[in-house]
Amino acid sequence: EPEVTQTPSHQVTQMGQEVILRCVPISNHLYFYWYRQILGQKVEFLVSFYNNEISEKSEIFDDQFSVERPDGSNFTLKIRSTKLEDSAMYFCASSILFPQGSYEQYFGPGTRLTVT
Amino acid sequence: ILNVEQSPQSLHVQEGDSTNFTCSFPSSNFYALHWYRWETAKSPEALFVMTLNGDEKKKGRISATLNTKEGYSYLYIKGSQPEDSATYLCASNAGNMLTFGGGTRLMVKP
Repeated sequence: EPEVTQTPSHQVTQMGQEVILRCVPISNHLYFYWYRQILGQKVEFLVSFYNNEISEKSEIFDDQFSVERPDGSNFTLKIRSTKLEDSAMYFCASSILFPQGSYEQYFGPGTRLTVT
Repeated sequence: ILNVEQSPQSLHVQEGDSTNFTCSFPSSNFYALHWYRWETAKSPEALFVMTLNGDEKKKGRISATLNTKEGYSYLYIKGSQPEDSATYLCASNAGNMLTFGGGTRLMVKP
């Protein structure tokens, strides 16, 4: 069964460093998302991406964050200058069609980012 | 901003018990309600997506109902098994983002 994959599973970085989290969505999906979960808190939406541009973003997704689909398969989240409060589990998801309605978002296993 | 709440936060049951938990969400601007099953170190697994008031969906021993007018959904597990132990997340979407509840952590004792 097709699945969303994410690498690495765990990333440790120092405050101020740039990190890139990588995702390979399901191959025929057209919509891509990033979510995060800070330990003990709810899963939060960051950004959605369609047709090579951001379609929606949350207040969390400030200028320190960017997303890119550099080739036909990868979808990346970059954090330019990490802060301690960026430590979280980051989930990538994809869906086949626009999610208004009944289209499922399929999630990857997450990347745990630890900023020290 | 949607506010999605789940209760209880955690639940311990014996193998064979049936159980249920609740997801509440704002009924305005509603598009769909999603249930996910999430085991540690694995991907959240989509269980159900429901859109219509009165919807009932079933997958094996797990079923869910939806009331969009009052803004709640119930997830039922019949005859719980240890392998049902996981966190069950609900999420509502308005637009193309999902807003999640805090999850219900279910532990089934053999």
